[in-house]
Amino acid sequence: RKEVEQDPGPFNVPEGATVAFNCTYSNSASQSFFWYRQDCRKEPKLLMSVYSSGNEDGRFTAQLNRASQYISLLIRDSKLSDSATYLCVVNAGGAGSYQLTFGKGTKLSVIP
Amino acid sequence: GAVVSQHPSRVICKSGTSVKIECRSLDFQATTMFWYRQFPKQSLMLMATSNEGSKATYEQGVEKDKFLINHASLTLSTLTVTSAHPEDSSFYICSARQGDIQYFGAGTRLSVL
Repeated sequence: RKEVEQDPGPFNVPEGATVAFNCTYSNSASQSFFWYRQDCRKEPKLLMSVYSSGNEDGRFTAQLNRASQYISLLIRDSKLSDSATYLCVVNAGGAGSYQLTFGKGTKLSVIP
Repeated sequence: GAVVSQHPSRVICKSGTSVKIECRSLDFQATTMFWYRQFPKQSLMLMATSNEGSKATYEQGVEKDKFLINHASLTLSTLTVTSAHPEDSSFYICSARQGDIQYFGAGTRLSVL
């Protein structure tokens, strides 16, 4: 089983739509969780950290379910500029260690 | 967020030459930096972890004598691709760790002719 798994997509959605991405991780000792976005031929950029209680940043909402080892990202009112690949990232190291593991990414295309 | 500068952004070189890529953390000190490689339409692949003042830790299958890493200060790590060949052509990206978060440089696109 891969350490961090994501649906590769692509997800093609119209502007204004709501879209959700899911991610599962294999190491139950994982400590911290993030969503990054990567535009074509660019470097990954941190979108948001994911907290146990769930967190929201504008149109973006991240959820963590430790029992199911599952992370989600919800994008509301999609914009054309949201088109990118979204990377689920997990610090799969146990307490006191650091091993950032990247999913392969989910590609989103927002269509006019 | 923190800023990481990577230079150069683009390199075109002849086969057999060596290429040096620099990665700098501009507004924070990073004891740990990372070097990744990404082929078209593929995911990021970690090549090595660069530790300030000590030897880098290479991932399985990455030749340490070919990809030389030096992390001489808390703000600078360099990757030298020695005797580059066309199969080394790729997008090389560095990152610097601040807490649990990695901040990425803009990447270096290497083309070996």
